[in-house]
Amino acid sequence: TQLLEQSPQFLSIQEGENLTVYCNSSSVFSSLQWYRQEPGEGPVLLVTVVTGGEVKKLKRLTFQFGDARKDSSLHITAAQPGDTGLYLCAGDRGDYKLSFGAGTTVTVRA
Amino acid sequence: NAGVTQTPKFQVLKTGQSMTLQCAQDMNHEYMSWYRQDPGMGLRLIHYSVGAGITDQGEVPNGYNVSRSTTEDFPLRLLSAAPSQTSVYFCASSYSSAINEQFFGPGTRLTVL
Repeated sequence: TQLLEQSPQFLSIQEGENLTVYCNSSSVFSSLQWYRQEPGEGPVLLVTVVTGGEVKKLKRLTFQFGDARKDSSLHITAAQPGDTGLYLCAGDRGDYKLSFGAGTTVTVRA
Repeated sequence: NAGVTQTPKFQVLKTGQSMTLQCAQDMNHEYMSWYRQDPGMGLRLIHYSVGAGITDQGEVPNGYNVSRSTTEDFPLRLLSAAPSQTSVYFCASSYSSAINEQFFGPGTRLTVL
């Protein structure tokens, strides 16, 4: 079983629509990261959140860390085809080992 | 900076063969790690290193060995390849294990027949 559960597994939306991806766990994390991965490439870090309740914005992407530091969400406003990819969350419990979720595959149709 | 480089890009092995996946970084990062990525399972940590001469096991270490003789290099050895080791392997590095933000290499796609 995965330490971090991501939902949904797949998401297909029309350009201009909004979407939210969730990352949940029963464990507490010292920090949580979001990565985006495109086919044939390695994941690329988008953001790190470290404080419970923290909200970070990266252009049209909004990341939130849960108050209890067990969960996180990624919201994309007015999605574009360039947002297509596999979104991965990763939690750090401070033990040198990142735990990754299985990922959410997002497809934005033009 | 080249960042994190991995070789080879693709590899096909027969069951029982051994090989080494190469990983190098030129960012003077202290932390390096190896992951495997399988469909529907995300990235799973194989081994990691917090500095030259220091390595430790991750979530799925069986069948793999690592060493870290320099800050730059972190090779992954498959001792006797098995079909269950068919996967995409990613090497990653981080400036600090305290805030473990990973820079990933492009990956090696390994098939074991």
